[in-house]
Amino acid sequence: ETGVTQSPTHLIKTRGQQVTLRCSSQSGHNTVSWYQQALGQGPQFIFQYYREEENGRGNFPPRFSGLQFPNYSSELNVNALELDDSALYLCASNTDMKYGYTFGSGTRLTVV
Amino acid sequence: DQQVKQNSPSLSVQEGRISILNCDYTNSMFDYFLWYKKYPAEGPTFLISISSIKDKNEDGRFTVFLNKSAKHLSLHIVPSQPGDSAVYFCAASYAYSGGGADGLTFGKGTHLIIQP
Repeated sequence: ETGVTQSPTHLIKTRGQQVTLRCSSQSGHNTVSWYQQALGQGPQFIFQYYREEENGRGNFPPRFSGLQFPNYSSELNVNALELDDSALYLCASNTDMKYGYTFGSGTRLTVV
Repeated sequence: DQQVKQNSPSLSVQEGRISILNCDYTNSMFDYFLWYKKYPAEGPTFLISISSIKDKNEDGRFTVFLNKSAKHLSLHIVPSQPGDSAVYFCAASYAYSGGGADGLTFGKGTHLIIQP
């Protein structure tokens, strides 16, 4: 399988709820990372998984958590949603930095 | 504190001319730099990268220049084409020294508009 696919494409949630976003990475890509892109900003690193273990985290609170599965799929979970969590969430995978990360099209999350 | 800065929110260039997008960084520990292009409703697409041991990398119409002493890099697109109209993000990483566990640090992007 080629490319990175994310689901759903759009989602509306209420403040205080929990959400799970899904990503299917390219076969053979052992590293997957998640980014949050607020309007008018560049993507911000949330965390990274390598072979199903979290091996890096950006400046995000513990209510942002994730999982990576052996079949190259992964999840981003956000608990106790806040209005400021409204953003585009991007999943990315790679094998070698010189080829860059391959990003999915993202999930647009709106918290009301 | 922004570690990667793209100070021009937008840039307008005539078709066929050179587009130059600039990026500055403050963290001297960054050792790998990348440029991404993003169309609306799509994820960022990798364009070109450069490691800190080089000062230039070229791929077709795209060339990235790195000036480590000035902590500055630039992306040159020659000649500019209408399909180049997009938002361009500069990103930096500790990849080769930190194993990539710190992810990419992005600038806010520059919206490039190619005029016919």
